Amino acid sequence: EPEVTQTPSHQVTQMGQEVILRCVPISNHLYFYWYRQILGQKVEFLVSFYNNEISEKSEIFDDQFSVERPDGSNFTLKIRSTKLEDSAMYFCASSADSTSYEQYFGPGTRLTVT
Amino acid sequence: DAKTTQPTSMDCAEGRAANLPCNHSTISGNEYVYWYRQIHSQGPQYIIHGLKNNETNEMASLIITEDRKSSTLILPHATLRDTAVYYCIVRVPYLSGSARQLTFGSGTQLTVLP
Repeated sequence: EPEVTQTPSHQVTQMGQEVILRCVPISNHLYFYWYRQILGQKVEFLVSFYNNEISEKSEIFDDQFSVERPDGSNFTLKIRSTKLEDSAMYFCASSADSTSYEQYFGPGTRLTVT
Repeated sequence: DAKTTQPTSMDCAEGRAANLPCNHSTISGNEYVYWYRQIHSQGPQYIIHGLKNNETNEMASLIITEDRKSSTLILPHATLRDTAVYYCIVRVPYLSGSARQLTFGSGTQLTVLP
């Protein structure tokens, strides 16, 4: 069964450093998402992406964040200058099209900022 | 998206049916009811969705009341692997041709006991 994959599974970085989290969505999917979950808290939406541009973004997704689909298969989330409060699980998700009811989530990347 | 209310936690004996309730009294006519679950720190997993009719798939059944103000997710024969946080989400799935984000609440922690 096709699945969303994410790398790395765990990333440790120092405050102020840039990180790139990578996702490979399901191959025929057209909509892509990033969510995050701070330990013990709710899953929060960050951004959705379609047709090489951002569709929606939350208040969390400020100028420190960016997304890209560089090569038609990968979908990346970049945090330019990490803060301690960026420590969280980051989940990538994809859905087939605008009428799809299901979003398929990856296993997540645990980001630890020290 | 309409607000949902779920119990914080529930227990269920292995092999028995697990019935997870959700209240969504402010649901509007074009909003669907979705259920996702999250097994400890993994990515959320889609279970089932419905508009007004009862639905069943290989994972679960969804019973929506006639007035659509509440619903129940039924896992017919719960196993230990069904221990997870279950999220009831009410939303319009797409808007202006764009697939929309999911807004997760706190969900119900279901613990299946041996």
